[in-house]
Amino acid sequence: SQQGEEDPQALSIQEGENATMNCSYKTSINNLQWYRQNSGRGLVHLILIRSNEREKHSGRLRVTLDTSKKSSSLLITASRAADTASYFCATVTQGGSEKLVFGKGTKLTVNP
Amino acid sequence: EADIYQTPRYLVIGTGKKITLECSQTMGHDKMYWYQQDPGMELHLIHYSYGVNSTEKGDLSSESTVSRIRTEHFPLTLESARPSHTSQYLCASRRTGGKSEAFFGQGTRLTVV
Repeated sequence: SQQGEEDPQALSIQEGENATMNCSYKTSINNLQWYRQNSGRGLVHLILIRSNEREKHSGRLRVTLDTSKKSSSLLITASRAADTASYFCATVTQGGSEKLVFGKGTKLTVNP
Repeated sequence: EADIYQTPRYLVIGTGKKITLECSQTMGHDKMYWYQQDPGMELHLIHYSYGVNSTEKGDLSSESTVSRIRTEHFPLTLESARPSHTSQYLCASRRTGGKSEAFFGQGTRLTVV
């Protein structure tokens, strides 16, 4: 089974509102990453948080990581219509092979 | 900008044909990955490689095979395509290490008729 599980599966908000997406995972990780995908195209990396970090910011993005609960959240503040996309968390497993496994994703719609 | 390329972008092929999906990267990354994704659905890891001549199957069972003879090249082959193989296939690469993000190609949308 896949490593990460996101919730909600779909989220619809108005421009200017904040969007929060959550991700849970199952095994020990090296780091956790968030990606964005527009209309079924290739994914684009947004932000990475290492297993020894608890919070990270990048522009309007804020990511938290709780390794004791094996969960992470992505907050997008002051959302824009252009943020409409699918968002996926991904975990890099510990060990030499560094498998990169994705969750099911959250489909975010930001209404103008 | 990511230097990882997939060809073809779109492919429509008949049942029983052999196909190879190409993936190349010019970043010298040692880790490479193949994912299968149906529209609007999750990404399933089907193969990955952690270096030349080192490949592993992913979490989703797949009838495809891969090879990694050169660092920059990670082709995926289907010996006999079936309609159930219709999907989008995404290739990605990254460097080894705890701060390394993955770069994705634009994907190959495969339709088997």
